[in-house]
Amino acid sequence: QVQLQQSGPGLVKASQTLSLTCAISGDSVSSNNAAWNWIRQSPSRGLEWLGRTYYRSKWYNHYAISVKSRITINPDTSKNQFSLQLNSVTPGDTAVYYCARSVGSIDYWGQGTLVTVSS
Amino acid sequence: QSVLTQPPSASGTPGQRVPISCSGSSSNVGSDTVNWYQQLPGTAPKLLIYSNNQRPSGVPDRFSGSKSGTSASLAISGLQSEDEADYYCAVWDGSLNGWVFGGGTKLTVL
Repeated sequence: QVQLQQSGPGLVKASQTLSLTCAISGDSVSSNNAAWNWIRQSPSRGLEWLGRTYYRSKWYNHYAISVKSRITINPDTSKNQFSLQLNSVTPGDTAVYYCARSVGSIDYWGQGTLVTVSS
Repeated sequence: QSVLTQPPSASGTPGQRVPISCSGSSSNVGSDTVNWYQQLPGTAPKLLIYSNNQRPSGVPDRFSGSKSGTSASLAISGLQSEDEADYYCAVWDGSLNGWVFGGGTKLTVL
C-alpha cells in the first residue's frame, strides 16, 4: 500500500518561498513507471496540477505554465521523498497543497497541507 | 475557469441513478482516458474510476464511467446518503502537457 506523508509550514509570507516535502512509503521515487506530482486546490482555482518529477533512466520534470517561472520539484532518493518549492508567493497562492503519485492515473494522494500566504 | 466542464451541482433521492458529465476537448478527453475522483469534506480526492470505466479495488459497482468523443460521464446508481460528496473528472492534456481537472460537481442526496 502506497502512502504519501506531507510536511512543511502552513504559513508563508508574501514574496517568500513555499516549501513542502512528500515522504513516500510503499513505492520508490526512482520507480520506472510512476510520476510524482504536486497539485493544489483552492475555491478560486479549483484543483490545479502544478508539476511532476519522474525517472526513466534519467530524471525529468514537467511544470504547469501558470507557475513554470517560480516552481521547482526535486526528488531525494536518499530519503525516498520529493519536494516542492514555489518562489515569490502571493496571497493568490493560498491553497491546500497535495502530493500525489500517478501510474497512468493519479492514484494515491497525500493528506494535504493548507498553506496560507500572508501579506 | 477549469479546462474540463462539469455541472456545479447534482442531486437525487436514495436509490436513484444520478449521472455527472465532464466535457473537454480533442487534446484531453478526446485523446486520453478519463479518471473520476470522490472528495469528502476535509479529505484528499479518492480515485473512483480510472481508464474511463475501471474501478479500483474496493469501489462499489454502483459507480460506473463511460466516455464518448470529448465527453465523459460518471453514473452513480442505487444512490446512498454516504455518496454525498464532490466529484471531479481528470485527464492528461497533451497540448498543455499536464493534468487537467473539472471544476467539480457537488452531489446532494435529498
